[in-house]
Amino acid sequence: QPVLTQPTSLSASPGASARFTCTLRSDINVGTYWIYWYQQKPGSLPRYLLKYKSDSDKQQGSGVPSRFSGSKDASTNAGLLLISGLQSEDEADYYCAIWYSSTSVFGGGTKLTVL
Amino acid sequence: QVTLRESGPALVKPTQTLTLTCSFSGFSLSTGGVCVNWVRQAPGKALEWLARIDWDDDEFYSTSLKTRLTISKDTSRNQVVLKMTNVDPVDTATYFCARLEISGGSCRGDYWGQGAVVTVSS
Repeated sequence: QPVLTQPTSLSASPGASARFTCTLRSDINVGTYWIYWYQQKPGSLPRYLLKYKSDSDKQQGSGVPSRFSGSKDASTNAGLLLISGLQSEDEADYYCAIWYSSTSVFGGGTKLTVL
Repeated sequence: QVTLRESGPALVKPTQTLTLTCSFSGFSLSTGGVCVNWVRQAPGKALEWLARIDWDDDEFYSTSLKTRLTISKDTSRNQVVLKMTNVDPVDTATYFCARLEISGGSCRGDYWGQGAVVTVSS
């Protein structure tokens, strides 16, 4: 079972909100880890969005709008990325990552379609 | 201004060793909190982290690839080198040199090079 699991795709309408999930393997407690989020548009480099551990421990990436935010769902052992007020320019692949067992691990990515 | 640039062969034959160099500016790898990583992305696929070297010489490797990878640094030349042995066509990817926030809290900053496209083929 992978360390991080992300849904392959997500669709949402302009102006709506999008909720990305990053589920940690069942033996890894989401509460313990920083969750990192990246955005990658086609043909572009990954862009660091934010990291989240708790409401009192979080960091927004430089220049990243506040409509991008992080959270966790302990009941599903998942890290969450929330985007409000979706824009067409938000269409991209979104990757989560953690530092686990002295390695960086990326999730498989979720492709966001804004339609 | 932080910049990173990857260089290396565009084409490598199976079983050969791939050597990639990351040349950087705007920071020093002798400064606390500075770490340099290698990440790759096969065509149409997800990001895959490969290795990291820190300002204090600590090295970290992908669990699945650690037997094939060696990362090293030359602080005086502002370079980090990644060697991957016994390459296979599945290693065909764009290889990125990057400073990543992803860490146990010891690394700062997130910057990416433009990437080097590497094809493994006979």
